[in-house]
Amino acid sequence: EAGVAQSPRYKIIEKRQSVAFWCNPISGHATLYWYQQILGQGPKLLIQFQNNGVVDDSQLPKDRFSAERLKGVDSTLKIQPAKLEDSAVYLCASSLGGLPYEQYFGPGTRLTVT
Amino acid sequence: SQQGEEDPQALSIQEGENATMNCSYKTSINNLQWYRQNSGRGLVHLILIRSNEREKHSGRLRVTLDTSKKSSSLLITASRAADTASYFCATDAGGAQKLVFGQGTRLTINP
Repeated sequence: EAGVAQSPRYKIIEKRQSVAFWCNPISGHATLYWYQQILGQGPKLLIQFQNNGVVDDSQLPKDRFSAERLKGVDSTLKIQPAKLEDSAVYLCASSLGGLPYEQYFGPGTRLTVT
Repeated sequence: SQQGEEDPQALSIQEGENATMNCSYKTSINNLQWYRQNSGRGLVHLILIRSNEREKHSGRLRVTLDTSKKSSSLLITASRAADTASYFCATDAGGAQKLVFGQGTRLTINP
């Protein structure tokens, strides 16, 4: 079974530029998550999708971050414009359903904002 | 805000020894999960324990949950070099449909 795919793996941008991350979840997984993990901390949930719909985006900085899940499969997370404090690893995860289903994580995208 | 807080923040032991990590949380939970993160395999689910369970085992892993103290522990027995990783507890933060992760314990197994 293929795992959660993410791209790119690394990205370096200057502040005020925009960036987009892509995630392809495990086939058949209805729930998709985007997390932000700052160095030395645990992952923080940014947004959770159930199929096409948003379940939770309470911690998504909506003035600069946006996310969509097309046709309930792939998802993109965009930051525009980026700030220095957005430097982090962005993790995508998927699960069969919401809690307490186990979440499967992708390798992450390491973003550096200079 | 972080729901779970792991203790210690860092732990270094010799191969073959047992490693114990603790997690404390603030609000009531329905379940608590432990995850491992290393550079090779990313973040991987280890074990889930429900609020009505007190102990669960999976291979060399033993997890306990004390809801009266709002705490959990993860024991890794007979540690191996491959166990070197960061370990995170995650809870559903009072029944919310999302996981809230702690800061993690960084475990180093010395050969």
